[in-house]
Amino acid sequence: NAGVMQNPRHLVRRRGQEARLRCSPMKGHSHVYWYRQLPEEGLKFMVYLQKENIIDESGMPKERFSAEFPKEGPSILRIQQVVRGDSAAYFCASSPMTGGDGYTFGSGTRLTVV
Amino acid sequence: AQKITQTQPGMFVQEKEAVTLDCTYDTSDQSYGLFWYKQPSSGEMIFLIYQGSYDEQNATEGRYSLNFQKARKSANLVISASQLGDSAMYFCAMREGLSSNYKLTFGKGTLLTVNP
Repeated sequence: NAGVMQNPRHLVRRRGQEARLRCSPMKGHSHVYWYRQLPEEGLKFMVYLQKENIIDESGMPKERFSAEFPKEGPSILRIQQVVRGDSAAYFCASSPMTGGDGYTFGSGTRLTVV
Repeated sequence: AQKITQTQPGMFVQEKEAVTLDCTYDTSDQSYGLFWYKQPSSGEMIFLIYQGSYDEQNATEGRYSLNFQKARKSANLVISASQLGDSAMYFCAMREGLSSNYKLTFGKGTLLTVNP
C-alpha cells in the first residue's frame, strides 16, 4: 500500500521558469492538501483540493501559484515565473475524508530557484 | 499571537536518556487536536502521535508520549530511551475546531540531537 507519492524529490529552476510539482494521494484518498515549508520554518497550509474541485486556497499566494486535482492523475501544484523566494519544500498530504486527523504526508519536493 | 510555540530551537540528549520537547498552543476552541511530527535530515514528515482535546488520557505510541496539560495549554512530547535515530527536527501542530477542519498550524520546530 503505497503512501503519498511526490515527485520530483528535488527540482531546480531558473528564475522566470515554471515549476510543476506532482502528488499522488494514497489509494482510496480523495482529499489532497498542499503545504509549504520555508527554510527554518514549520509547514504552512496552502490549498485543499478534492477531485476536480478547489475547496480552500486561502493559503496560496494570489499570483503565479495554482493547483489542480483532475479526475484522473495526480494533483499538480504549478508555480509560474518562479522567483528566489519560492525556494522551499512543498509537501502534499492526503486523507480519505475531510479532516485534520487523518493526514499522511508525502516526502516533499524541494524546489530551488537559482 | 503565535498559535503554536516551540521555545527550544535545539535540544541535546544522551543516548538512552529521556527528553521532553516543549509545545504550547493558543486557541479559543473547545475541540481541537494536537500532533507531533518528526522530520529527519532526509526531509520527510513522519507522524508520531496525536492528542484530542477531549481525550482524558495522555496519548502514547511506543517510546513517544504526549504530556497534555489542558489548563496550561501545553502538549509536550516525551521521548523515552533516546536512540541515535531520534536525531531530527520535531514539529508540534494543531488542528482547531472539529476534526472536519483540515488545516494544521505548525510550530517552528525543535532540532533534537542525540549524542552517543
